[in-house]
Amino acid sequence: TQLLEQSPQFLSIQEGENLTVYCNSSSVFSSLQWYRQEPGEGPVLLVTVVTGGEVKKLKRLTFQFGDARKDSSLHITAAQPGDTGLYLCAGLYSGGGADGLTFGKGTHLIIQP
Amino acid sequence: DAGITQSPRHKVTETGTPVTLRCHQTENHRYMYWYRQDPGHGLRLIHYSYGVKDTDKGEVSDGYSVSRSKTEDFLLTLESATSSQTSVYFCAISPSSVNYGYTFGSGTRLTVV
Repeated sequence: TQLLEQSPQFLSIQEGENLTVYCNSSSVFSSLQWYRQEPGEGPVLLVTVVTGGEVKKLKRLTFQFGDARKDSSLHITAAQPGDTGLYLCAGLYSGGGADGLTFGKGTHLIIQP
Repeated sequence: DAGITQSPRHKVTETGTPVTLRCHQTENHRYMYWYRQDPGHGLRLIHYSYGVKDTDKGEVSDGYSVSRSKTEDFLLTLESATSSQTSVYFCAISPSSVNYGYTFGSGTRLTVV
């Protein structure tokens, strides 16, 4: 079973602060995705990264894919209470096929006003 | 319109009874997935489908079966529900097996008493 480790597991910060969460594996991904999930709802896709070293920005969120395609990070600038949620990374491993993404356990993020 | 709906949203059932959860999509996507989400385990793949009548097992398939007789519907059946199957079940769809994000339903919260 492929493992995808996310850290930290929990993070609570004040509004306006910056933060970074991480997603790591010992295996190489062909692609990696980040999702945000709010209570009582399904995960919602934020971004897909495919190329090693790739950086994508979505407003105040910056996603980076590691050069070796084994890790990724999500950086949030000037966090807002609306950023609160469970952030999940999910990887499609090289050689993986229709059998789906492997998900990390997530980072629970709370932004306090 | 969400493009993917799950029913029911909530269900309480007794140990030993069969239960069927339904996932319906209007996106005409080829791939459909059933995941369960549990504290401490994250999202784990139960079964997936890569076309009508084409299904395969995921990581935690014991005690579950699926059927896909039409592109738009993917059914998950708990043959004889057990308390360990108390969970939140999510259906997801994707147009491709590689590099495309999943669209998730809102989930079904199942309690087995």
